[in-house]
Parts: sequence; C-alpha cells; structure tokens
Amino acid sequence: NAGVTQTPKFQVLKTGQSMTLQCAQDMNHNSMYWYRQDPGMGLRLIYYSASEGTTDKGEVPNGYNVSRLNKREFSLRLESAAPSQTSVYFCASSEGGAPRWETQYFGPGTRLLVL
Amino acid sequence: GNSVTQMEGPVTLSEEAFLTINCTYTATGYPSLFWYVQYPGEGLQLLLKATKADDKGSNKGFEATYRKETTSFHLEKGSVQVSDSAVYFCALWGAGNMLTFGGGTRLMVKP
Repeated sequence: NAGVTQTPKFQVLKTGQSMTLQCAQDMNHNSMYWYRQDPGMGLRLIYYSASEGTTDKGEVPNGYNVSRLNKREFSLRLESAAPSQTSVYFCASSEGGAPRWETQYFGPGTRLLVL
Repeated sequence: GNSVTQMEGPVTLSEEAFLTINCTYTATGYPSLFWYVQYPGEGLQLLLKATKADDKGSNKGFEATYRKETTSFHLEKGSVQVSDSAVYFCALWGAGNMLTFGGGTRLMVKP
C-alpha cells in the first residue's frame, strides 16, 4: 500500500496564479484532511471531509477551496495565490467518518512557494 | 480556544543521552493528548497518545504522562539514538473536533 500520496512535491507560483494540490489514499478511509505547516506554528487545519461528498472548514480556510472527488481523492485549490500561502501542505486521512479522534495518516507534503 | 506550547528547538544531544521535550496545553474540558513525529522528508506519524488524566503513552522507548494538574504532556526517552533525529509535535484533540498542534521541536542526535 502506498498510504497517502500527494502531488506535486514542490511548486513555485507567481502571485495571482492558481493551482490544485492533489491527494489520494488507498486505505479505504472515510475522512480526509488538508493542513498547512508554517515555521514555528505547527500544523493548522484548512478543510476536512468526513465522507465522500461532504466538506467542512477548518481553522484557516480563507483563500482555499476543496473537492472530495471520490472516496480516495481530496484536492485543494488555490484560486489566486498570495505570498501568505507560501507553506508546506499536508494531506491526511483517517478511518472513520464521525468527528471523533482517531489516528490520522499523513502524506509526505507539498512545498509551495508563492512569489 | 485550544492551544499547545512546546519548547523551542533545536535540541541537540549526543547518542544515549536522556531526552525531555516539554509540552503544555490550554483546553476546555478533557482533551486527548498526542505526540507526532516527522522524520526528514516524510509526513507526520503518531508516536504515542493518552486519552485521560494520569494515562501514560509509550512507544519505541518514548513515554509521556498526561498531567492534568500541570496541563502538561512532556515527552521523554532514556537513551536517544541518531535515528531519533526528527521534528516532534505535541497535539491535542478537544472541543472543536480538530487536532491542535504545537509549533514542533527539532531534535538532532549526534553520534
């Protein structure tokens, strides 16, 4: 099993450009998450999806949109990138679909630089 | 709201030294507490957890005890190895139904 995979690994954008970060999991998990990691701030939740067809805002959703394409895939879109969105983005998944704690499995991350 | 505070790094130790990484939290109610580890170039992995006061989580020689009276969950290991070099994150799950992470502490172990 590959676990959680993310593409691309690294991306450079100019301010105002758009892009989509892709995430896929092969563990048949119901829940998927997008986090951003900034120096000294740990990870912060952007959006999550408790099941196919549902999405909810996390702590820092502004400037992002998400799509739960199917059970396996959860994409994060930046419509008009800003330098403040320079960060490392992590996708994660977990087994259940209810809002309770359970082990989350993380992908290797996408490093995004917005100039 | 919920918050997690960790000691700033990097923490540099020699192999076989004793490790402590401090973690304190602020939360309403009775959160569950976790340590995650991020090895170079990889995503985060759950290292250990504790779900109620006085619980001790342990894994791979690491331990942490949930201390409600001091709102702390310090990570300890008796003898670190070079392979333990990584970034360690303390986190909690509480009201709001999401994980709140600390800023991370980088550990560097020298042979």
